[in-house]
Amino acid sequence: AQSVAQPEDQVNVAEGNPLTVKCTYSVSGNPYLFWYVQYPNRGLQFLLKYITGDNLVKGSYGFEAEFNKSQTSFHLKKPSALVSDSALYFCAVRDTGYSTLTFGKGTMLLVSP
Amino acid sequence: KAGVTQTPRYLIKTRGQQVTLSCSPISGHRSVSWYQQTPGQGLQFLFEYFSETQRNKGNFPGRFSGRQFSNSRSEMNVSTLELGDSALYLCASSLQQLADNEQFFGPGTRLTVL
Repeated sequence: AQSVAQPEDQVNVAEGNPLTVKCTYSVSGNPYLFWYVQYPNRGLQFLLKYITGDNLVKGSYGFEAEFNKSQTSFHLKKPSALVSDSALYFCAVRDTGYSTLTFGKGTMLLVSP
Repeated sequence: KAGVTQTPRYLIKTRGQQVTLSCSPISGHRSVSWYQQTPGQGLQFLFEYFSETQRNKGNFPGRFSGRQFSNSRSEMNVSTLELGDSALYLCASSLQQLADNEQFFGPGTRLTVL
């Protein structure tokens, strides 16, 4: 079975500070990992994905994520947060042998001015 | 290019009724997936359609069904509505089958069951 956990319901950070949104996963094969963001009253938007290759993945809006196989993690990071980054962030995983994604429950990121 | 559109945006129904939601994918996209989003359960996969065939199905009762037309537009139907069906229903499209492809989401249909 495949599963993903986002251990924090909410993350608070001040504008200009670095941010991290955590994600851990469980798969039996090789993971394919995704981050999506949801702004209020909008659908989800794709940020980045890890399929294979370099463990550091760069995505949209200055976000990046690091794949760590030993810790089964795929944390989302940004060096300097913006107020406009405030949104709901979802991590998702697909295990080899599966054909659908499993999403985490989401982490609300609040960036204060 | 126009994004994924969903109609209606808001719906209010009563228990026992049935409802049909519509999704128009991005032009050229052949895969359409449906998700249910609730505060407690997060985002849960309902089903995926590709080339008018259901390719994958999530763990939902048979009251939830869907179909896809030859132009890739998709509809989702929920019969005998229950209070617990109140949720945001999201549709997502991608060029090919789900797998590793980026999905493009619509704004969702907010369903309230009274």
